[in-house]
Amino acid sequence: NAGVTQTPKFQVLKTGQSMTLQCAQDMNHNSMYWYRQDPGMGLRLIYYSASEGTTDKGEVPNGYNVSRLNKREFSLRLESAAPSQTSVYFCASTLTGGGYTFGSGTRLTVV
Amino acid sequence: GQSLEQPSEVTAVEGAIVQINCTYQTSGFYGLSWYQQHDGGAPTFLSYNGLDGLEETGRFSSFLSRSDSYGYLLLQELQMKDSASYFCAVRPTGFQKLVFGTGTRLLVSP
Repeated sequence: NAGVTQTPKFQVLKTGQSMTLQCAQDMNHNSMYWYRQDPGMGLRLIYYSASEGTTDKGEVPNGYNVSRLNKREFSLRLESAAPSQTSVYFCASTLTGGGYTFGSGTRLTVV
Repeated sequence: GQSLEQPSEVTAVEGAIVQINCTYQTSGFYGLSWYQQHDGGAPTFLSYNGLDGLEETGRFSSFLSRSDSYGYLLLQELQMKDSASYFCAVRPTGFQKLVFGTGTRLLVSP
């Protein structure tokens, strides 16, 4: 099983550019999440989808949009990238809210 | 809201026992989880306490006391590979999301 797959693994954007981070899980999990991790800040929730067809804001949603395309896929879009969005982005999923499975992360730099 | 505090760094030697504390302020939650993250890697699930008390998984144990708003992760027989960051996390009542603590960096020396 692949678990949670994120693409791309690395990305450099110029300020104002847009991009979509892709996430797919093959564990038939109901809930999916996008977190960002900055040095010394721990993991902060951007958006989540408790089940297919629903999305909710987390702690730091500004500047992001999400789409729960189907049960497997949950994408994160940056419409106009800013240097403050330089971070490591993790996608995660869970079946019932117990242990979360994380993807390997996307390292994004906005210059 | 939810707030989970952890020490920023803990150091120990190989073979020792170390305890990483997590104190929290939250209106209600389903349980306390612990995750391990090596540098450059993704967080991985270690343990979950839904009820008060001790849960043991090999060299790792986790404890929760709701009355004291406190939990900890206990690592025994430390190995160099245990050097990593450790995060506690809670799922607030009524929500399907995890809120993470600030993280503790564990450094294990020979």
